[in-house]
Amino acid sequence: DVVLTQSPATLSVTPGERISLSCRASESVDTYLHWYQQKPNESPRLLIKYASQSISGIPSRFSGSGSGTDFTLSINGVELEDLSIYYCQQGNSLPYTFGAGTKLELK
Amino acid sequence: QVQLKETGPDLVQLTQTLSITCTVSGFSLTTYNVHWVRQPPGKGLEWMGAMWNGGGTDYNSAFKSRLSISRDTSKSQVFLKMNSLQTDDTAKYFCARNYYSTSFDYWGQGVMVTVSS
Repeated sequence: DVVLTQSPATLSVTPGERISLSCRASESVDTYLHWYQQKPNESPRLLIKYASQSISGIPSRFSGSGSGTDFTLSINGVELEDLSIYYCQQGNSLPYTFGAGTKLELK
Repeated sequence: QVQLKETGPDLVQLTQTLSITCTVSGFSLTTYNVHWVRQPPGKGLEWMGAMWNGGGTDYNSAFKSRLSISRDTSKSQVFLKMNSLQTDDTAKYFCARNYYSTSFDYWGQGVMVTVSS
């Protein structure tokens, strides 16, 4: 199974700053890498698909990059509503797998 | 609009069988795939298996032969059944859909299931 390692586990942020979250795969997943945001007691929400493709309705401050084994989710100008847990997910091979998540908290 | 809704028990006894129904609206099960994903309290997400639009299924081998997914297209429902429940099966169970993409664009609200001894 493909193991996805997300770092850092927790990131303390200040509103307005630009941040980057990392997701590293144990083997190449090409660009079959997707990002989700999950707030407490809510379902995950798709933010970015196929590493860098934007999703309708998602603010433009969210962007993704990478291919193969190294991927990044960037938030350009963090807002308070972005304080959540972020998960990456690979869809290159079954079983689909998720990273353990990165939690954004207020500094 | 697109909706997925899970219904099932809040509590299941140890070693018993869990049955959850995902009822969908706004799309067809013969066009979209439906997946099951679970999340233990305070932990991450785990893909369990899929009901493909053609009627085939795939399962995460982590669940060995405990897991079964089926559907009734006439009722727009997908079913999860898992037997021999243990305490570490306590989790929120979600259904989610995809189409050509391998990402999940819509999710249900999830159902929290506690396995009790």
